[in-house]
Amino acid sequence: AQSVAQPEDQVNVAEGNPLTVKCTYSVSGNPYLFWYVQYPNRGLQFLLKYITGDNLVKGSYGFEAEFNKSQTSFHLKKPSALVSDSALYFCAVRARNSGNTPLVFGKGTRLSVIA
Amino acid sequence: GAVVSQHPSRVICKSGTSVKIECRSLDFQATTMFWYRQFPKQSLMLMATSNEGSKATYEQGVEKDKFLINHASLTLSTLTVTSAHPEDSSFYICSASPGGSNTEAFFGQGTRLTVV
Repeated sequence: AQSVAQPEDQVNVAEGNPLTVKCTYSVSGNPYLFWYVQYPNRGLQFLLKYITGDNLVKGSYGFEAEFNKSQTSFHLKKPSALVSDSALYFCAVRARNSGNTPLVFGKGTRLSVIA
Repeated sequence: GAVVSQHPSRVICKSGTSVKIECRSLDFQATTMFWYRQFPKQSLMLMATSNEGSKATYEQGVEKDKFLINHASLTLSTLTVTSAHPEDSSFYICSASPGGSNTEAFFGQGTRLTVV
């Protein structure tokens, strides 16, 4: 069975400071990993994904994430947070060779960037 | 990226009536679409997998007779909430992927359903 853990319900960071949103996963075999962002009353927007290759993945809006196989983690990072980054962030996993199956999501982490 | 369009974005209905929500893949064909429900400040709960040309697959605890899913074409899936009650009030989101397991899912804008 696949699962995703986002241990923090809420992350607060000052504008201009680096931010990290944590994610760990459990899956049989090698994973495909994804990050999404959700603004109020909106669907999810894709930020980035890890498929293979370089463990550091760069995505939209200056976000990046690092795949760490030994720690089964895929933490989302940004060097300098903006107030407009305040939103709900979801990490998701899908097993390789699982076809077009639904993503398994973490519970989400609310990021609040304070001016 | 690919576009998934969901309509309506917001609907208010009376108890006992039915509401239909549409999910369209605008620039790719989707043999499979997924319907989620999201409660306030919570994660997405997968309700069902919509399969083009065949019956939907429902997750445990989801009433198939209450949440009717039809996937009549490769670009359209509909979710009908039948005989709606206030406890059905929620945010419903659909998603689809244009490719295989290494492809990200694209999500509709979501539908805020309020049953009064």
